[in-house]
Amino acid sequence: GDSVTQMEGPVTLSEEAFLTINCTYTATGYPSLFWYVQYPGEGLQLLLKATKADDKGSNKGFEATYRKETTSFHLEKGSVQVSDSAVYFCALSVDGGSYIPTFGRGTSLIVHP
Amino acid sequence: NAGVMQNPRHLVRRRGQEARLRCSPMKGHSHVYWYRQLPEEGLKFMVYLQKENIIDESGMPKERFSAEFPKEGPSILRIQQVVRGDSAAYFCASSPAPTYNEQFFGPGTRLTVL
Repeated sequence: GDSVTQMEGPVTLSEEAFLTINCTYTATGYPSLFWYVQYPGEGLQLLLKATKADDKGSNKGFEATYRKETTSFHLEKGSVQVSDSAVYFCALSVDGGSYIPTFGRGTSLIVHP
Repeated sequence: NAGVMQNPRHLVRRRGQEARLRCSPMKGHSHVYWYRQLPEEGLKFMVYLQKENIIDESGMPKERFSAEFPKEGPSILRIQQVVRGDSAAYFCASSPAPTYNEQFFGPGTRLTVL
């Protein structure tokens, strides 16, 4: 079946540090890949997505590149802010399948001033 | 354009009572998904509904849980005879079509069972 593996958190950084959150996947078909963000007390929001190999999704300074050869979709940001503190979920959905996304367990990011 | 609405935001029930969670999808969305988020765990799919139809309930516990999405009104997730293990955050998401491959989430209902 489909699965998503994320690095365990929490990830604790100082403001302006570089962020990487690793995500790898297995999929039965050709997946679209997503990063969602959940701020405290809120629902998930789509942060970025990529639908085919080598595509780069980007939003709010975050980036992730769809790497088919390594089945990875790592999230990066060059300089984090305190307001980026949240839980980040990697997810995939397979076109032509049920389209129900499979989520990773989430990685908590804590950014200190 | 209002987003996905869920109510109540917080719900407290005693063991054995019923919990009823409501979800109004975004305007124009006819596909609704329910997820459960347990403390320190990820998001687990429960059920996928279209208007008046359950499309996929493979993530739904076989007993005590049911869901509906009537022709008129919100989608309802019903938990009968709640137990402490049902305490969790329940999220609803909607999309205009399954092939849209993005889901829009509500703020969640946090259920506490005493």
